Parts: sequence; C-alpha cells; structure tokens
Amino acid sequence: AQKVTQAQTEISVVEKEDVTLDCVYETRDTTYYLFWYKQPPSGELVFLIRRNSFDEQNEISGRYSWNFQKSTSSFNFTITASQVVDSAVYFCALEGNNRLAFGKGNQVVVIP
Amino acid sequence: DTEVTQTPKHLVMGMTNKKSLKCEQHMGHRAMYWYKQKAKKPPELMFVYSYEKLSINESVPSRFSPECPNSSLLNLHLHALQPEDSALYLCASSQDEQGSAYEQYFGPGTRLTVT
Repeated sequence: AQKVTQAQTEISVVEKEDVTLDCVYETRDTTYYLFWYKQPPSGELVFLIRRNSFDEQNEISGRYSWNFQKSTSSFNFTITASQVVDSAVYFCALEGNNRLAFGKGNQVVVIP
Repeated sequence: DTEVTQTPKHLVMGMTNKKSLKCEQHMGHRAMYWYKQKAKKPPELMFVYSYEKLSINESVPSRFSPECPNSSLLNLHLHALQPEDSALYLCASSQDEQGSAYEQYFGPGTRLTVT
C-alpha cells in the first residue's frame, strides 16, 4: 500500500527564513508519481509540482525547490526567504491505484 | 484556465434536508473527483468519475449520491446527512484518471455544516 509520511505537523518561521518540509514515501511500484499541494486558509488545494519516479533531477521554481532522492524515498520541499503569503498547509501526495495517498500535511506559519 | 468552480461556498442543512453540491470545470478534463476533508486532516477520496462514468466509490454511505451529467459538471446529492458529515467538500479534475499520473486541480470547496 502507498504511504506518505510528513513528520512535522506545525512549523513556525520568521519571515525571510528558509523552511524545509520533509516527505518520506513507501511504495512497491517501480513507476510512480509524487506531488506537492498547498492549501491556504481559503481552503483550495493548489497544485505545486509533479515528479515521476524516473526523474530525479531537483527542481527550482522561484522561491520553491524540491529535492527528490529515490535512495531514501524522500521528496523534500524548501521555501527560500519565506513570506507571510506562504502560510498554509502543505501536502505531499503519492499516486497509486488511481488514487492519491496524502501525507498528514505540514502547517507552515510565517511570522512577520 | 485552470479553474474549478464549486457552489455553494457554504451550506447549512438539517438532517432531513436534501441538497446538492455543484462542481464545474472547463479544462477539457475527463476525470473528476469528490473529496471530503475534516479540519486538520488531509482530503479523503469519496468518488471518481472517468469519462462520465463512476469508476471509484470509496465505500461512501448512500446518503451521498454523485452524478456526472456531462464532462464538465459534477454534482453531489446529499440526503439525510449526519452531523459527522460536516466537513469541507472538495471537487477536483484531472486530464485523465489512468494511473492518476496527472495533477489534479481543486475547487475552493463547499463548507458543509449539518445541524
């Protein structure tokens, strides 16, 4: 069965600090997809990134970056120079059996 | 345009009421999803429609009845709900359901309160 672990529940940072969210996954599939979503207080889940298991290149998009390491089954997410607008819950998810398995989420609070 | 719309935004209903939640997307996506999300929890999958046919029902109680009138619309009919059904109901769509390899785009949700 697919499983995603996001160990940190709530993380508070002061604005402009960097924050890294850990995501560890378990799967028996050789081909799989990983995702990160952001859920601001408004409630809508916003798609951030999709990564397939064959692409281990790290990715950077503005202040966001992702580190995919197949050897440790991790897909970590870093927000550089955090801003108040980054305050949200961030979910890591793993595709399997036509479903998304979500982690429990990381509540990020950016303090001005 | 990556927008999924949901109406209503908020809904309060009694346990004997019948109401419907609506979801619409115009991205040409062929898979649509209903999720239920309780506070401080991740979304839980309820139903998946693929090419307008119900493909996944995660053993959801029959008081929730989904309907997909066409490829752009998804409804969730509610009847005789219980207070524990109070939650945020999220609709999502993706290009295709096959392998769920495609990212899902979510609507803003309907916050449902059952009294």
